[in-house]
Amino acid sequence: DQQVKQNSPSLSVQEGRISILNCDYTNSMFDYFLWYKKYPAEGPTFLISISSIKDKNEDGRFTVFLNKSAKHLSLHIVPSQPGDSAVYFCAASEGGSQGNLIFGKGTKLSVKP
Amino acid sequence: DGGITQSPKYLFRKEGQNVTLSCEQNLNHDAMYWYRQDPGQGLRLIYYSQIVNDFQKGDIAEGYSVSREKKESFPLTVTSAQKNPTAFYLCASSIGRRGPSPLHFGNGTRLTVT
Repeated sequence: DQQVKQNSPSLSVQEGRISILNCDYTNSMFDYFLWYKKYPAEGPTFLISISSIKDKNEDGRFTVFLNKSAKHLSLHIVPSQPGDSAVYFCAASEGGSQGNLIFGKGTKLSVKP
Repeated sequence: DGGITQSPKYLFRKEGQNVTLSCEQNLNHDAMYWYRQDPGQGLRLIYYSQIVNDFQKGDIAEGYSVSREKKESFPLTVTSAQKNPTAFYLCASSIGRRGPSPLHFGNGTRLTVT
């Protein structure tokens, strides 16, 4: 049973527009959420995180929103650039325990020029 | 430049052979992890270690073994008991202290067993 779900395997966006990647989770004990970006044949790169005490965290073009009541988080990329094309993974952990970092299956983002 | 080094990038083995994947970090991180990625799947935790000489099983530890004799090194052995060893293996590390912190990943080792 998946505790972290990314229901869209792929997303295509025009350059300059907003990309919105979604993630749902089932475990209400999760309190730390992260987004990673991954290019083929490389390791994931950490993008942005959010603690459950916040509902928004922003870093440059990247903003993560957390809706605890809906058990939903989203990553917004504005404006989208062709270099953003990659697979994005959502991950969550409980009680700050890194050993229990649970990943979603990823969403492949394609940003078209 | 601080980072995580996984070697080799590609590894080929015959079925029935044990194989050890290397992972070294110079980030002075306490915690280290091994994940496995299969096509269309998320990352699944194999083993993790929060301190030298101590490690815990993750969700899919069967058929794997690890050691943590040094802070910088966390090698993973894929044994012949692992039923589907062909995969992309990722090593990661984190500060591991004083609350949550992001994992930093190496560039992975693609293991092919035939």
